[in-house]
Amino acid sequence: DAKTTQPPSMDCAEGRAANLPCNHSTISGNEYVYWYRQIHSQGPQYIIHGLKNNETNEMASLIITEDRKSSTLILPHATLRDTAVYYCIVRPPYGGATNKLIFGTGTLLAVQP
Amino acid sequence: DTGVSQNPRHKITKRGQNVTFRCDPISEHNRLYWYRQTLGQGPEFLTYFQNEAQLEKSRLLSDRFSAERPKGSFSTLEIQRTEQGDSAMYLCASSPRDSQETQYFGPGTRLLVL
Repeated sequence: DAKTTQPPSMDCAEGRAANLPCNHSTISGNEYVYWYRQIHSQGPQYIIHGLKNNETNEMASLIITEDRKSSTLILPHATLRDTAVYYCIVRPPYGGATNKLIFGTGTLLAVQP
Repeated sequence: DTGVSQNPRHKITKRGQNVTFRCDPISEHNRLYWYRQTLGQGPEFLTYFQNEAQLEKSRLLSDRFSAERPKGSFSTLEIQRTEQGDSAMYLCASSPRDSQETQYFGPGTRLLVL
């Protein structure tokens, strides 16, 4: 079973910031939070990941709460090409008991023109 | 392009036939994963390899499924005696040998069993 909870869908206006929430209240101390997205009929695309600190890269920012029980993925200026299903996943670090990613059903982000 | 590649991208077959898919991981990635995705669901883990060793298999991987990675580079996934329930997207991912071990996915092979 997925260890995360995400809203099934969200809308965002083009050019505005998209803030996608994820709840992972049972996360363990050494588990990372990963975000992937999947554009229709394509393979999942890695976006960003973090452990405790907030992270930023060229695609997005990841804000993790201090208690690590939830996080938010921020796309600062959403475009139509950002329309996709976004998956939030928690997983142990390298060398953990398992290396598989457990996907839930994700959040379908629809960017509106 | 140096990403994960998968072939074929699409496969239509008749029930009872055997099919084989190929995955070429990113160069020097020592871990390779197979996932399956049905319509409206997230990908589900099937199996993974570290180099040529198959280290974990999901219960989803029935006896009709077999995966190999003979030289620790490309991998094949074979489905024997296909059933309509095998219709899905089959995804391959690879990850490097480092502390983060981020998995990078290929475009997938979409299988339709008639």
